[in-house]
Amino acid sequence: QKEVEQDPGPLSVPEGAIVSLNCTYSNSAFQYFMWYRQYSRKGPELLMYTYSSGNKEDGRFTAQVDKSSKYISLFIRDSQPSDSATYLCAMRYRSQGNLIFGKGTKLSVKP
Amino acid sequence: EADIYQTPRYLVIGTGKKITLECSQTMGHDKMYWYQQDPGMELHLIHYSYGVNSTEKGDLSSESTVSRIRTEHFPLTLESARPSHTSQYLCASSEYFSGEGDTQYFGPGTRLTVL
Repeated sequence: QKEVEQDPGPLSVPEGAIVSLNCTYSNSAFQYFMWYRQYSRKGPELLMYTYSSGNKEDGRFTAQVDKSSKYISLFIRDSQPSDSATYLCAMRYRSQGNLIFGKGTKLSVKP
Repeated sequence: EADIYQTPRYLVIGTGKKITLECSQTMGHDKMYWYQQDPGMELHLIHYSYGVNSTEKGDLSSESTVSRIRTEHFPLTLESARPSHTSQYLCASSEYFSGEGDTQYFGPGTRLTVL
């Protein structure tokens, strides 16, 4: 079993929709959770960062961590065509540990 | 936008050639990383460095080698390229200590094709 599972999609939604992206993980030792966004032919860029359980909101983006279920989510409200990208979840055991990535979910927001 | 650069962006070469992928950052970060990314697959860490003269192998076995002679420069070398090395190579950097944990900044990647 992979440490981090993420449905690669692709996921296609109309503009303005609420998007839910998810990852599950197997190791309860993960403490730090991240979402990266990667546009085509670019490197990933950090979108959201959460430590332990709970929610974090930044504009149209909300990251949720449910450690009891080993499940993390990224919600995008009022999705825009510019949100079309691949979204990668990543996590680590320690603050300075190496990142373990999911495969990424390819999102397309249609105007 | 992160100040981390990779050259070349695209490289097509023949089997058996020696190649070096360049990565430079101007943020003064101590930690640098090389990842390999194949379509539809996870990023896999192949090398990392905590600072000058420090290099470590990552989670994914790789036939490449790295060096860290200067803080800002972290080149990756393949002595004899093979078709199995065809992939996207991403370089990243981060500060060694940063509160809750270091944020990794990625370069744009080098897409390598070995014929």
